[in-house]
Amino acid sequence: DAGVTQSPTHLIKTRGQQVTLRCSPKSGHDTVSWYQQALGQGPQFIFQYYEEEERQRGNFPDRFSGHQFPNYSSELNVNALLLGDSALYLCASSFIESEQYFGPGTRLTVT
Amino acid sequence: GENVEQHPSTLSVQEGDSAVIKCTYSDSASNYFPWYKQELGKRPQLIIDIRSNVGEKKDQRIAVTLNKTAKHFSLHITETQPEDSAVYFCAASKGTSYDKVIFGPGTSLSVIP
Repeated sequence: DAGVTQSPTHLIKTRGQQVTLRCSPKSGHDTVSWYQQALGQGPQFIFQYYEEEERQRGNFPDRFSGHQFPNYSSELNVNALLLGDSALYLCASSFIESEQYFGPGTRLTVT
Repeated sequence: GENVEQHPSTLSVQEGDSAVIKCTYSDSASNYFPWYKQELGKRPQLIIDIRSNVGEKKDQRIAVTLNKTAKHFSLHITETQPEDSAVYFCAASKGTSYDKVIFGPGTSLSVIP
């Protein structure tokens, strides 16, 4: 079991660009949540996907969007990047009342 | 809105001593409280969790207590070891997989050999 995987590991983008981050959930998990973790802070909930639909959303602007595929994998898209979007983006998967398992994260740097 | 506060932000203890981290939450509907350990450059990993139907849970050197009335919960690490050094996050949610998890700001624990 590979656990939760994320790609890419690191990414450098320029202000105004768009980025897509990818996540494959742990085997048997059907729910994917995305978090943003700025340096020195706790993870902040962005949104959650279940059955290919956004089920819950945190306090993030519409520039942040996502998608879930039939195989439960997920993408996080961020448009019109700002310097403040620089962070570690974590994906977590779960199933019914199981704990959330986190992936290793994607480190996004916006210059 | 939903909020989780955590204290202290940094904690330094001698090896073998105990460490206590305290959290409070604002949403009275929260009933699941996980604790995560995050080592530098690594993903958060669940170390213990508690649901609102119990007041205390223990796993070897780690214990968590919950006071639902006061909306407080705490992590206790006994006989600390250098490998316990990490950032610890408390979190709260309504308890099912489709409920968002709200994290505290973290406590950086240093265990001095």
